[in-house]
Amino acid sequence: ETGVTQTPRHLVMGMTNKKSLKCEQHLGHNAMYWYKQSAKKPLELMFVYNFKEQTENNSVPSRFSPECPNSSHLFLHLHTLQPEDSALYLCASSQTAGGGTDTQYFGPGTRLTVL
Amino acid sequence: GEDVEQSLFLSVREGDSSVINCTYTDSSSTYLYWYKQEPGAGLQLLTYIFSNMDMKQDQRLTVLLNKKDKHLSLRIADTQTGDSAIYFCAESPRKAAGNKLTFGGGTRVLVKP
Repeated sequence: ETGVTQTPRHLVMGMTNKKSLKCEQHLGHNAMYWYKQSAKKPLELMFVYNFKEQTENNSVPSRFSPECPNSSHLFLHLHTLQPEDSALYLCASSQTAGGGTDTQYFGPGTRLTVL
Repeated sequence: GEDVEQSLFLSVREGDSSVINCTYTDSSSTYLYWYKQEPGAGLQLLTYIFSNMDMKQDQRLTVLLNKKDKHLSLRIADTQTGDSAIYFCAESPRKAAGNKLTFGGGTRVLVKP
């Protein structure tokens, strides 16, 4: 596979469930990102990892827990979510998180519905 | 904080030119981007412009930047039905702040045959 892949593409979960979103990039990049895209707000950056180290947490509630075991994989662990967390969760990667022309490439997203 | 604004919707006839506008507030923006999102898909980078440029052309795409007015536009020449999508403008601050993109709310472009 090429580019940035995300699984699952769709997920429905109850508020008491625990689930995980997975992202994998095949571009040899060193930075990975989680974004939230909901109907009511512009695309929001959640987390940034650069060389497996978390460099940004954009005031995300602790019910979202990221994990980056290596530069190619990024997970988002979900626990005790709320219905307002229903959204499209997008993963992206870039060569580094150094800014400027470190262009971000996006995956297709996971559509999450919290009941 | 940073703010990026876009109009919500644009309707255009096939073959005509489309112009999508974006305004931003962060005067330290270094790079400005245009992304395209088709239904059920992630964001696809279309083009970007560095803040010391005022125009960039790439095939059917022309980006204009008015840094004084903090206004960015994307012109699509000879618009096709495959150009129907949501277009996002995004800005990136100076390098010291890391690779944090701030996105606009997106402009939904509908191309009519």
